[in-house]
Amino acid sequence: AAGVIQSPRHLIKEKRETATLKCYPIPRHDTVYWYQQGPGQDPQFLISFYEKMQSDKGSIPDRFSAQQFSDYHSELNMSSLELGDSALYFCASSFIYRGYNEQFFGPGTRLTVL
Amino acid sequence: AQTVTQSQPEMSVQEAETVTLSCTYDTSENNYYLFWYKQPPSRQMILVIRQEAYKQQNATENRFSVNFQKAAKSFSLKISDSQLGDTAMYFCAFMKGGSQGNLIFGKGTKLSVKP
Repeated sequence: AAGVIQSPRHLIKEKRETATLKCYPIPRHDTVYWYQQGPGQDPQFLISFYEKMQSDKGSIPDRFSAQQFSDYHSELNMSSLELGDSALYFCASSFIYRGYNEQFFGPGTRLTVL
Repeated sequence: AQTVTQSQPEMSVQEAETVTLSCTYDTSENNYYLFWYKQPPSRQMILVIRQEAYKQQNATENRFSVNFQKAAKSFSLKISDSQLGDTAMYFCAFMKGGSQGNLIFGKGTKLSVKP
């Protein structure tokens, strides 16, 4: 079965640089979520999109932005990177079935900021 | 706001034994879902089991079962016949129902299964 695809899997950047993370949801899934998991932490919700519109916003810094495109893939853009942005970034996709919304997670992108 | 609390940062169990991981949550919602996710060293997030709040019957998936106490807002995970492959971080998570709700995670419990 198709799974959520994230690219790149690993990314190394310098402070103050910009990074773009990509997420390709499972076909026919209409919602995409982004989560950030710092070292030794639980995943924290950043932002979500439903049918290409932003549906909810969590603890996403103003330096970050995201969007969902017409083909439903999503990109998380991170500017002015800081050391504290080093984390595992998960994308998850879902669709609502019988009122239930199960999120399927991608493998994550490990971002290291030096 | 919803919160999820896992009070056991680390636990260990002998292979083939049974272990229970605790989770409590706080919410004023009536329609919600609860989940246990497993995160092995590969860091992949794997759904173990889910529970709909409107269902009184506890969910079961093979060796994994939950004890859902809605009034007490408690949602524990029992792993029977523990296997070495169960070694992982386990996260309890909450999600509001009826919308594209995001997951709210607890801090996690690191489970080690010893041979």
